[in-house]
Amino acid sequence: AQRVTQPEKLLSVFKGAPVELKCNYSYSGSPELFWYVQYSRQRLQLLLRHISRESIKGFTADLNKGETSFHLKKPFAQEEDSAMYYCALKVNSGYALNFGKGTSLLVTP
Amino acid sequence: NAGVTQTPKFRVLKTGQSMTLLCAQDMNHEYMYWYRQDPGMGLRLIHYSVGEGTTAKGEVPDGYNVSRLKKQNFLLGLESAAPSQTSVYFCASSFIGRNTEAFFGQGTRLTVV
Repeated sequence: AQRVTQPEKLLSVFKGAPVELKCNYSYSGSPELFWYVQYSRQRLQLLLRHISRESIKGFTADLNKGETSFHLKKPFAQEEDSAMYYCALKVNSGYALNFGKGTSLLVTP
Repeated sequence: NAGVTQTPKFRVLKTGQSMTLLCAQDMNHEYMYWYRQDPGMGLRLIHYSVGEGTTAKGEVPDGYNVSRLKKQNFLLGLESAAPSQTSVYFCASSFIGRNTEAFFGQGTRLTVV
């Protein structure tokens, strides 16, 4: 069965500190992985997808098939990064997204 | 440029009442989905649709029904609301294919008392 695990419910860091939000997945096929972000009182929006290998708002995520991980990283956290972050795995059934439980990131000054 | 629009934004129901949540998208997406978001549970898929006239069950379909009579609309119905259905409901849509982005509505906050 496909599963996405985000082990941290809450992650609190100081402004300027590095941040890493962990995501592990279990899936027997070729994974399609995403990071979605939900800022306060806003809708979920795509932050990153593994296929693009891009950096958005200073965030990067590398797919590690050996460790079945897709951790989200940023070298210097900003206060505006405070949000709920969801790792998601796309599965074959209608290409629906299978979400982790989310990690709430709080960046304090 | 509306994207995905959900109606209503808020609703309070009494146990046993019924209601329908409407999701409309103007991006000509084939796929549409309904999720519920609960604290500590993330987003869980209720039902989804891969095209007009087709629907399928997701992870937590019990107590809900859906219909997709038009490509742009996806309705979520609660026939007899229960307090366990108190949640925030999100609709999403996407094009067919791998690695396509899902676009989300703003959510509907439903409270069942």
